[in-house]
Amino acid sequence: KQEVTQIPAALSVPEGENLVLNCSFTDSAIYNLQWFRQDPGKGLTSLLLIQSSQREQTSGRLNASLDKSSGRSTLYIAASQPGDSATYLCAVRGSTLGRLYFGRGTQLTVWP
Amino acid sequence: DTAVSQTPKYLVTQMGNDKSIKCEQNLGHDTMYWYKQDSKKFLKIMFSYNNKELIINETVPNRFSPKSPDKAHLNLHINSLELGDSAVYFCASSRPFRGGLTEAFFGQGTRLTVV
Repeated sequence: KQEVTQIPAALSVPEGENLVLNCSFTDSAIYNLQWFRQDPGKGLTSLLLIQSSQREQTSGRLNASLDKSSGRSTLYIAASQPGDSATYLCAVRGSTLGRLYFGRGTQLTVWP
Repeated sequence: DTAVSQTPKYLVTQMGNDKSIKCEQNLGHDTMYWYKQDSKKFLKIMFSYNNKELIINETVPNRFSPKSPDKAHLNLHINSLELGDSAVYFCASSRPFRGGLTEAFFGQGTRLTVV
């Protein structure tokens, strides 16, 4: 059974720092990996999707990498801002039915 | 325009009641899902429908019954609500499974509180 782990569970940093959030998964037979952002009381916003054949994806200050063979992904946030404060969720798609397996998230706080 | 919308956003109800949560997507997707986020923020799939056909049915009490009147709507009906049903329920949609290109889009969630 696929298990997804995210480290750290919480992170508090001053504005301007570059950050790395980690995600690991136990079954490397995945089709893709999605990083989401969840703001308090709100839904999930898709940030990046990396297909299993890709090594990385970039969107603005966000860069996600994928090492499928070792079961790891990282989300790199450059020049963090207070508006980046949220919970970041990693999810892998590992079956033909489109099911996503989620980690428990990293709660990020960026203070001014 | 909201891509995946759920109603209501908040729902407070007493034990034993029956309630429904509605979900609609305007993305033209064929596949829709219900996920549950528990008090520890862990998200887990409950159901998935593809073009109105149930394709995923996790180990969920049969008090929970999804209904898809058409491929743009997936509603969740819950009978005889229990305290343990308190959670945030998320609806999501995607195109039919296309391997690595399948991307899920989520609604804003419905926070259900059973008292």
